[in-house]
Amino acid sequence: GAVVSQHPSRVICKSGTSVKIECRSLDFQATTMFWYRQFPKQSLMLMATSNEGSKATYEQGVEKDKFLINHASLTLSTLTVTSAHPEDSSFYICSAPWRGRGDTQYFGPGTRLTVL
Amino acid sequence: EDQVTQSPEALRLQEGESSSLNCSYTVSGLRGLFWYRQDPGKGPEFLFTLYSAGEEKEKERLKATLTKKESFLHITAPKPEDSATYLCAVQEGKSNTGKLIFGQGTTLQVKP
Repeated sequence: GAVVSQHPSRVICKSGTSVKIECRSLDFQATTMFWYRQFPKQSLMLMATSNEGSKATYEQGVEKDKFLINHASLTLSTLTVTSAHPEDSSFYICSAPWRGRGDTQYFGPGTRLTVL
Repeated sequence: EDQVTQSPEALRLQEGESSSLNCSYTVSGLRGLFWYRQDPGKGPEFLFTLYSAGEEKEKERLKATLTKKESFLHITAPKPEDSATYLCAVQEGKSNTGKLIFGQGTTLQVKP
């Protein structure tokens, strides 16, 4: 099956610092990846679509200057939370569609961000 | 507007007690309906994709079915390890963005 990894799995940082989260498709290439945010006991909220070699597409209400997305290769997308504040604390999950399986999206294990 | 509604929000079953989870959807041209399982603190794990009404998929104790308005996830003789949140998502066909629209999930607890 398709494997998507995320790093780090957990990060704690001070308010005002920036945090980078990596999402990798390990055994397939992905020209598109998706970034989600999940609050406790809630469903996934799509933040943005990451496109290899071009700008990301952000969902309405998501600050693109706060959540910087870079899709530098066919297997790697990064999400940088800039000048993080406590309200940015959340569970961030990425996904990548695998064309070999009808574009089914496979999800990473998630990154728990805690901003103090 | 595309929408996905799952019911019930929470379900408690005794081990061996079969039941079904519902996913109702409204979408402009369904490209695919997906079921995922999510354990606490982890990313969603893919279960099934259904593409057209009448389609069925099975995996161990789980069986997913699809009609033009809803999908069911049937759980036969569940075990405690089936306890998780089950998420339903649809992908609409016209925009070709690949985006998924998720329901709120059904949290299943199976007691031994």
